[in-house]
Amino acid sequence: ILNVEQSPQSLHVQEGDSTNFTCSFPSSNFYALHWYRWETAKSPEALFVMTLNGDEKKKGRISATLNTKEGYSYLYIKGSQPEDSATYLCASNNAGNMLTFGGGTRLMVKP
Amino acid sequence: DGGITQSPKYLFRKEGQNVTLSCEQNLNHDAMYWYRQDPGQGLRLIYYSQIVNDFQKGDIAEGYSVSREKKESFPLTVTSAQKNPTAFYLCASSIGRGVYNEQFFGPGTRLTVL
Repeated sequence: ILNVEQSPQSLHVQEGDSTNFTCSFPSSNFYALHWYRWETAKSPEALFVMTLNGDEKKKGRISATLNTKEGYSYLYIKGSQPEDSATYLCASNNAGNMLTFGGGTRLMVKP
Repeated sequence: DGGITQSPKYLFRKEGQNVTLSCEQNLNHDAMYWYRQDPGQGLRLIYYSQIVNDFQKGDIAEGYSVSREKKESFPLTVTSAQKNPTAFYLCASSIGRGVYNEQFFGPGTRLTVL
């Protein structure tokens, strides 16, 4: 079983703060790294899929970077808003079609 | 509307009873997956199917069974052999090939065994 770790497990920030969290994954046989956003009472939704070392992806105020050599990805949220409150999951695809998920980072943004 | 449906949203069962969770997709995806989530833990893969009439065990398959008789449907049965069945169950599907292979998720079923 592959080990995908996310930190921190939970995070409380004030509205307007920028924040970031980490996903670490095995670098061997790496195919892709997925980020998902999971709001309470909804289905997880895909944010980004990244494959290349040095990849950076951006969607609005959310961006992500990827380092496949050392096996980590950062997710950044600029100017957090209450609607950003969710659990952010990362998942690694190593040598196959299966995804191995991390435990998630639960973000709470206070107005 | 294309998507994945799971039913029911909440399910209560007595200990020792088998229970079947439904998962249907109309995305024309070849691959389907079942995950389990426990508090404070990530999603763990129970079973997956990459094509009709074929399925494989995931990391925690003991006490579960599946079938894949139709492309659209991938029901999960939680049997009495599953030692700790109370959990949140998520179904997902994907095109099943390619590096990106993004998975699309249903809304989940919360199973409580009394």
